[in-house]
Amino acid sequence: GQQLNQSPQSMFIQEGEDVSMNCTSSSIFNTWLWYKQDPGEGPVLLIALYKAGELTSNGRLTAQFGITRKDSFLNISASIPSDVGIYFCAGRGNQGGKLIFGQGTELSVKP
Amino acid sequence: NAGVMQNPRHLVRRRGQEARLRCSPMKGHSHVYWYRQLPEEGLKFMVYLQKENIIDESGMPKERFSAEFPKEGPSILRIQQVVRGDSAAYFCASSPPRETGNTIYFGEGSWLTVV
Repeated sequence: GQQLNQSPQSMFIQEGEDVSMNCTSSSIFNTWLWYKQDPGEGPVLLIALYKAGELTSNGRLTAQFGITRKDSFLNISASIPSDVGIYFCAGRGNQGGKLIFGQGTELSVKP
Repeated sequence: NAGVMQNPRHLVRRRGQEARLRCSPMKGHSHVYWYRQLPEEGLKFMVYLQKENIIDESGMPKERFSAEFPKEGPSILRIQQVVRGDSAAYFCASSPPRETGNTIYFGEGSWLTVV
């Protein structure tokens, strides 16, 4: 079945540093979504990407939909303590339907 | 606008009991998805429903689990004869009709603990 490989699995960074994480797939997706999940909460949508090559920003977050439609990255600039959490990429195919999730990247930010 | 509403947020059941989890999608959303998340793991797809129809149940265990999304009322995920391994967070998500959008929003989850 379809799988997403998300890396890195975890990151420990200093406040103020930039962060980058990415997802790759053997399958083509028509939509890439990035979510953040805090402990005890549901995933919150950060950025949605709908076109190959699309680069979208949301505040300090920037995400890109790869040209091949098989990958996406998320960058966080000038990290702050509240960026701590688990970040998930998710892809959706041409027919709509279910999202396939990556394994998550756990981000820790040291003040 | 209200988001995806799930209840209960926390549920404790003894082995062998039934668990019912409810999900009301966002206003205007006709598609509902259920995901399960085990501790320290990612979200695993279970089932995708539209009103009165199951579209994709490829992630549902073959036994004890069922889901419905009736014409009126919330979507229900039902787990019969729960076992300890069913302890997990269950997330519902919803999306609008395909022609009007392709983004999926999640509820805050229902945490099931089987004792």
